[in-house]
Formats: sequence, C-alpha cells, structure tokens
Amino acid sequence: EVHLVESGGGLVQPGGSLRLLCTASRFTLSESWMAWVRQTPGKGLEWVANINPDGSSVYHADSVRGRFTISRDNAKNSLSLQMNGLRVEDTSVYYCARDPDFAAIDLWGQGTKVTVSS
Amino acid sequence: DVVMTQSPLSLPVTLGQSASISCTSSRSLEHSNGNTYLTWFHQRPGQSPRRLIYKVSNRDYGVPDRFSGSGSGTDFTLRISRVEAEDVGVYYCMQGTQWPPTFGQGTKVEIK
Repeated sequence: EVHLVESGGGLVQPGGSLRLLCTASRFTLSESWMAWVRQTPGKGLEWVANINPDGSSVYHADSVRGRFTISRDNAKNSLSLQMNGLRVEDTSVYYCARDPDFAAIDLWGQGTKVTVSS
Repeated sequence: DVVMTQSPLSLPVTLGQSASISCTSSRSLEHSNGNTYLTWFHQRPGQSPRRLIYKVSNRDYGVPDRFSGSGSGTDFTLRISRVEAEDVGVYYCMQGTQWPPTFGQGTKVEIK
C-alpha cells in the first residue's frame, strides 16, 4: 500500500522556523505533483503550496508566500516545507498530499502538528 | 479566491436513509479545457481526509456505489444512499479549477 509520512512538526515560538519532511513509500514521488495542505479546527482546510514533478514550478498561497518554501528531493523520494517567520495563525496540522490533477488530492499523509506559541 | 459554501453544516441521518450535501462555488468551476475540477473528501474522526469523488462524478476505486456526485457550473451535490455507520464524519468539497484551490467548510454527518 502506498503511503506518505510527514515529520518535523512541533512547538515553536512566533518568528521561529521549522522544516517539515514528507517521505513516500511504495510509489515514486518524482512522478507526481505534490502539495502541502493544512487544517485547523477554526479555519478548516487550506491549501498551502504545491510543486511540479521536477521542482521547476512552485506555487504558494498568499498567506505563506515569502515565509514558506516548498521543495523536493526526488533522489530521496521526499518533499519538504521550510517554514520561516512562523505566526500563531500558522498553528495547524500539516498534510503532505499527492496532487494528480488540478488539486484532486488522491493520497494524504497522516499529518504533522505544528504549534506556534510563546 | 473562489469561495466554496456547503450546506447543511450538520446532517443527522437515520441508518439506511439517504443524505445529500450541497456545495456552491462563487464562480463557475468549468475549466477552459472542458473539465470541472470539483472533488469530494470524507474525513473520519482522527483520520486524514480520503477522496471519494473527483471531477464532479467520478467515484474512486473502492468507494461504494452508494456515493454519487453530480452538478455543474457552480452547484454540486454529494448524495449518499442507504447511509451506513461507517459514513459518519465530515465531508468536504474542494475546487481545483481556479488557483488557489479552496475547500468548503465541511458537513458533519452523524447518525440519529
């Protein structure tokens, strides 16, 4: 069975940084568009960023542009989200996701929790 | 951004009965390529979302045929016939036609 596994979440102070990592098992991540989506009880689901198979095209939501960077290492079958300048409102569960066609996510990771608090 | 509005937000249903969830978008979701990128997800408590339906009406492999999607333009519906206990959870619609992709608020389905 194919899987996505996220890691790297945790508690960080406002203004701090975290790097989330997503690794894929039983499928070749380099063949797919990939994305990060976050979920909070209050704001629901929010698209954060996505990246094309070879990493040459990236898109970030307005709410994170300039602070977060999506990237991938196809040799390591992994996806990353570098998060700088974290804000309280970035507190969420972050999901790694496979985006096969115009955001119609067909595979989600289990999520990693990020808490931004002083 | 395209706003996705679901109704109802809470839906108590009787086992064996049918249920419908509406999803309305603030703009047409028909892409210039002729496709309509409207997706439905189901999220059980404590789990990640799972895709049920893509491009309005295409059911994913393994999704029971009790689930069906319909609609066009700005109005879409997810229908569940013969609700079973495993169908509880939150259902989300999502559009991928316009950047950024956006989700509905979610509809919580529970058994009466």
